[in-house]
Amino acid sequence: QVQLQESGPGLVKPSQTLSLTCTVSGASISSDDYYWNWIRQPPGKGLEWIGYIYSSGNTYYNPSLKSRVTVSIDTSKNQFSLNLSSVTAADTAIYYCVRGIDSSGYYLANWFDPWGQGTLVTVSS
Amino acid sequence: DIQMTQSPSSLSASVGDRVTITCRTSQSLNTYLNWYQQKPGKAPKLLIFAASSLQSGVPSRFSGSASGTEYTLTISSLQPEDFATYYCQQSYSTPHIFGQGTKLENK
Repeated sequence: QVQLQESGPGLVKPSQTLSLTCTVSGASISSDDYYWNWIRQPPGKGLEWIGYIYSSGNTYYNPSLKSRVTVSIDTSKNQFSLNLSSVTAADTAIYYCVRGIDSSGYYLANWFDPWGQGTLVTVSS
Repeated sequence: DIQMTQSPSSLSASVGDRVTITCRTSQSLNTYLNWYQQKPGKAPKLLIFAASSLQSGVPSRFSGSASGTEYTLTISSLQPEDFATYYCQQSYSTPHIFGQGTKLENK
């Protein structure tokens, strides 16, 4: 059974950098069939995709956050991480790490499954 | 970027009802459209992938379909555990955006 678990500070001060790590168990983060995502959800609001990384290191970020986001991967630890710089109160959200399944060659589709339980990060002084 | 319009934003229904949620996109996504269910305090859960494929373990009362730029999630007979928020999501191109969500409430 594949599981993802987010970890990191629950409180970050404005203008600082939010850093989270996702530990993956039950699946190899090095597989070419998967890509690894960060998605967030402000309290009471909808879902916002932040970005992804493949085990090769290829990344893509949401243009709305691109200037502040870095996603990295550590295949030796089966972990991937999120850094979001210069945070403000608008970055307060539940942050989810999520596996993406790349089935472009079979189902002609990609999808997110499973999701981590999520971690609430509050930006406040 | 692809634009997505999910409707309705909220819906009141009763157990046993047939419910339909729609996601309209600015261009055809072929089969790159997925549906998720989210219950309060929980992470979203995959229901339908590739527009119409049922995720393993998801009850067969859930189904997905596509016609041009209109994608539909149908619950054939609403059960008490189905009251939740539903999101569509496109993975045809980046950014992989979500619809605005549909909150399904008990009438």
